[in-house]
Amino acid sequence: EVHLVQSGAEVKKPGESLKISCRGSGYNFVDYWIAWVRQMPGRGLEWMGIVYPADSDTRYSPSFQGQITISADKSINTAFLQWNSLKASDTAIYYCARHSGSGSFSGDSWGQGTLVTVSS
Amino acid sequence: DIQMTQSSSPLSASVGDRVTITCRASQSISRFLNWYQQNPGKAPKLLIYAASSLQSGIPSRFSGSGSGTDFTLTISSLQPEDFATYYCQQTYFTPWTFGQGTKVDIK
Repeated sequence: EVHLVQSGAEVKKPGESLKISCRGSGYNFVDYWIAWVRQMPGRGLEWMGIVYPADSDTRYSPSFQGQITISADKSINTAFLQWNSLKASDTAIYYCARHSGSGSFSGDSWGQGTLVTVSS
Repeated sequence: DIQMTQSSSPLSASVGDRVTITCRASQSISRFLNWYQQNPGKAPKLLIYAASSLQSGIPSRFSGSGSGTDFTLTISSLQPEDFATYYCQQTYFTPWTFGQGTKVDIK
């Protein structure tokens, strides 16, 4: 069975750095894109970017380019989302999702979400 | 970026109703359109991919149609567990943008 398991909730101060993770199991990790999606409190889904673990090909939404770093380590079947300097406006739930590498690129399996709270 | 615009939210309906949610893309996306359902406090769940293909395990009362710029998600007979928020997403070009969401609530 396919599973994506994300790291636990985080509470950080503005200006701090953070790296959250998403570990895949039950499938060949390198064959699927991993996307990161933000959901701010009471708001909709925002697509942040994707990484292809086989070759670390990465694409970013212009809205998030330069603010985050997305990466993957195929040796441990894990994708990462990283900030160097958090802002209060980064407070949100962050989801990872597995997307097929061909065809419709649909997100067929999602992590449970990681709540990030940034507050002084 | 491709903009995705969904039906107004909320959409009020009753159990047993036929419900239709629309999604319009700002440019043609062929059939690279997916539909997700999200319940409060839960991760999104894939319902429909490639505009009209039903994801494994999803009840047949859900269906999708459309191509190009105009798409529809239909629930043929609304069940209590279907009161949720629905999102469309295009995967034709990155960034793979979502619609703003349509909440289906109880009339």
